[in-house]
Amino acid sequence: ETGVTQTPRHLVMGMTNKKSLKCEQHLGHNAMYWYKQSAKKPLELMFVYNFKEQTENNSVPSRFSPECPNSSHLFLHLHTLQPEDSALYLCASRHDSTYEQYFGPGTRLTVT
Amino acid sequence: GESVGLHLPTLSVQEGDNSIINCAYSNSASDYFIWYKQESGKGPQFIIDIRSNMDKRQGQRVTVLLNKTVKHLSLQIAATQPGDSAVYFCAENSFGGGGNKLTFGTGTQLKVEL
Repeated sequence: ETGVTQTPRHLVMGMTNKKSLKCEQHLGHNAMYWYKQSAKKPLELMFVYNFKEQTENNSVPSRFSPECPNSSHLFLHLHTLQPEDSALYLCASRHDSTYEQYFGPGTRLTVT
Repeated sequence: GESVGLHLPTLSVQEGDNSIINCAYSNSASDYFIWYKQESGKGPQFIIDIRSNMDKRQGQRVTVLLNKTVKHLSLQIAATQPGDSAVYFCAENSFGGGGNKLTFGTGTQLKVEL
């Protein structure tokens, strides 16, 4: 266990559905990240939050909407997704005194 | 743009042998490097890190070597065990407008044969 939890672990949704992914860290970290992991591709950084403020949006389509209500929680709201959005979505957190990021187990998303 | 890449997508080793996983990076300004291990169904897990002012760092059964001259990073696993079977990623840290950012390689699948 890394101290970063993600729910749900698996999600199947249609293209017209709206769903949310949740990430929670119990490590006292102040930075949180969303990554997309597709088969045979490097991890793609999506969003970065530092002290609840979004500091990076890596040209992510607007059908992905992040929310960070506090330093311990991070959400990814999904709507009108496409089949190519099917992937493993990983959350990570970091304390600003280090570079190491701690990852959650991920949410396996399938868009039908 | 800058990228981090791995030389081999798959590495098969016999149990008990040493494993060496390689990584090439292109950003000479990167100041920190990490190796992660990702087992099936899990998120990446930190293995070992190294700062750019070092050329070698050892952990428990693992050693990371950094060659800044040729921008090369390697992970050595001693006495490889079945539990070492996983995908291994290298990542480099750089500093940009959004703060520190890790850039990841594609990953190498390590398979340990009994």
